[in-house]
Amino acid sequence: AQSVSQHNHHVILSEAASLELGCNYSYGGTVNLFWYVQYPGQHLQLLLKYFSGDPLVKGIKGFEAEFIKSKFSFNLRKPSVQWSDTAEYFCAVMFSGGYNKLIFGAGTRLAVHP
Amino acid sequence: DAMVIQNPRYQVTQFGKPVTLSCSQTLNHNVMYWYQQKSSQAPKLLFHYYDKDFNNEADTPDNFQSRRPNTSFCFLDIRSPGLGDAAMYLCATSEARGLAKNIQYFGAGTRLSVL
Repeated sequence: AQSVSQHNHHVILSEAASLELGCNYSYGGTVNLFWYVQYPGQHLQLLLKYFSGDPLVKGIKGFEAEFIKSKFSFNLRKPSVQWSDTAEYFCAVMFSGGYNKLIFGAGTRLAVHP
Repeated sequence: DAMVIQNPRYQVTQFGKPVTLSCSQTLNHNVMYWYQQKSSQAPKLLFHYYDKDFNNEADTPDNFQSRRPNTSFCFLDIRSPGLGDAAMYLCATSEARGLAKNIQYFGAGTRLSVL
């Protein structure tokens, strides 16, 4: 079955620390890859996406993610987090076939302390 | 400005009492989706409309229905809510379903409580 795994459910960092959130998926075919962010009390917002081309993609607010096809991974990174990055982060994968269903990981709650 | 609007933000209903959640969009997108998100879990797709074509997920309970009277609006009807249906319900839209155009935009969600 198609699935998406996020390795960390909760991450606590201090401001200026570097961030890497892991995401792996189960499927070896064509995929579109997404990271969404949900700030407290707000809707899911698209952080960045990968469709094709350069496997290193840059998103909003200084986030980037790297697609490594051989590892079925799409890890999210940020060199220096801020308190305002406190949110829940969801990796999502669109597997080709049918109507291209989007499947989410369980999410990672990030808390950044000043 | 909000592009996918869900009403209400919070809904309380009684066990077994039908409830309807609303979603509207200003993006003129062809596809509208309903997801269920339980606490500390991933959003799970219930069904979607591609234009007027309804597509139900195989594991979506019969208790959940949907209506799309026009391009802008989509409703989620829960015929007889049980305690296990308490969750956040997310509406999303996308321009199309093909890989190149399937970027989904989400509303803020409706948190449903069942008493």
